[in-house]
Formats: sequence, C-alpha cells, structure tokens
Amino acid sequence: NAGVTQTPKFQVLKTGQSMTLQCAQDMNHEYMSWYRQDPGMGLRLIHYSVGAGITDQGEVPNGYNVSRSTTEDFPLRLLSAAPSQTSVYFCASSYSRLAGGKSYEQYFGPGTRLTVT
Amino acid sequence: EDKVVQSPLSLVVHEGDTVTLNCSYEVTNFRSLLWYKQEKKAPTFLFMLTSSGIEKKSGRLSSILDKKELFSILNITATQTGDSAIYLCAPLSGGYQKVTFGTGTKLQVIP
Repeated sequence: NAGVTQTPKFQVLKTGQSMTLQCAQDMNHEYMSWYRQDPGMGLRLIHYSVGAGITDQGEVPNGYNVSRSTTEDFPLRLLSAAPSQTSVYFCASSYSRLAGGKSYEQYFGPGTRLTVT
Repeated sequence: EDKVVQSPLSLVVHEGDTVTLNCSYEVTNFRSLLWYKQEKKAPTFLFMLTSSGIEKKSGRLSSILDKKELFSILNITATQTGDSAIYLCAPLSGGYQKVTFGTGTKLQVIP
C-alpha cells in the first residue's frame, strides 16, 4: 500500500492564482480530510468527506473547495490564492466506522508546503 | 464550538525525566480521542482512547481518558532525545467523526 499520497510537495503561487492540491489513498477509507497547519495553530480542519459524493466544511473552509468523486481521491482547490493561505497542508484518511477491529486512526500524507506571494 | 486545550504549550526536560502532557476537551457527541506525535513531518499515530479509565500503553508511553472530567493525559517515562516532538491530541466527535486538533505540546528532551 502507498498509504496517503499528496502532490505537489512544494508550491509557490502568486496572489489570485488558482491551483489544486491532490490527495489519494489506497486503503479504501471512507473518511478523508484536509488540514492546514500554521505555526502555533495546530492542525485546523478545512473540509472533510465521509464517502464519495459527500463533503462538508470544517473549521476554516473559506477560499477552498473540495469534491469527492471516488473513494480514493479528495482534491483541494484554492480558488484565488491569498497570502493568508500560506501554510502546510495535510490530507488524512481513516475508516469512519468502528467495526471488525478497525480504528479511527487517521493516516496522514506527507504534506504540501504552499507559499503565496 | 468544539474546543481542545493542551498544556503545557511547551516543555524542556532532561533525558530520563518523566513528563505528563494534558488535554482537555469540549466537543459535541464525543466518540474517541486520538494522540499523535509530530516531528518534522506529518503526525504519526500513538493511541486511540474510547473508554474512561483504561490505560493504553506502548513502551514508555501511556495514556488514559476521563470522559466524566473531559480530559486525557499522555505520560512519557525515561524520556529520550528521540521523544522531542509536538504531541497533539484530537477528540473525534459527531455522527461522522469530525476531528478537532489541539495546538499541541512541544516537548524538547535535552541530553
């Protein structure tokens, strides 16, 4: 298993540009989520999904869109990048139901470091 | 609004010391609490706690949950420099597990 993969690892954008951060998992996890991590702020939930076709907002959704057309993929779109979106972005996945010894443990991707100038 | 408070925010100890990290939470429809260790990259999973009073143990690390008082502690005994990291707690809540992370405790272990 590759686990959770994210691309790109690094990205520099100019203010106003748009881009998509990619996230994929091969563990058949129902639950996927996007976090941003800023110094001193911990991990803040942007959007999450409990299955294909179902998404919901987290704590800091403004300026970001998501979709979940397949179980495996959960891309995060920045519509018009702003310097306030400079951060490290993590994608994570997990099972959404405790059954048959499954755990709610979230598996994290390696992160994308985004700088908006 | 869901709230997670970790204390202390940072801690410097010497190798061999024992540390206790605290996590208090207020979330709707609590399901479980997760502890993670984050070094320079993505967080790595330590424990999942669902029941009160049952200690989970892994080597020198242990953790316990108190669902009545809404807190959890993470203990690390005989600390080593490799324990230096940010430790994050994250309660899961809601019908589908919404995860709210605390800001973390930054632990530095010096030789």
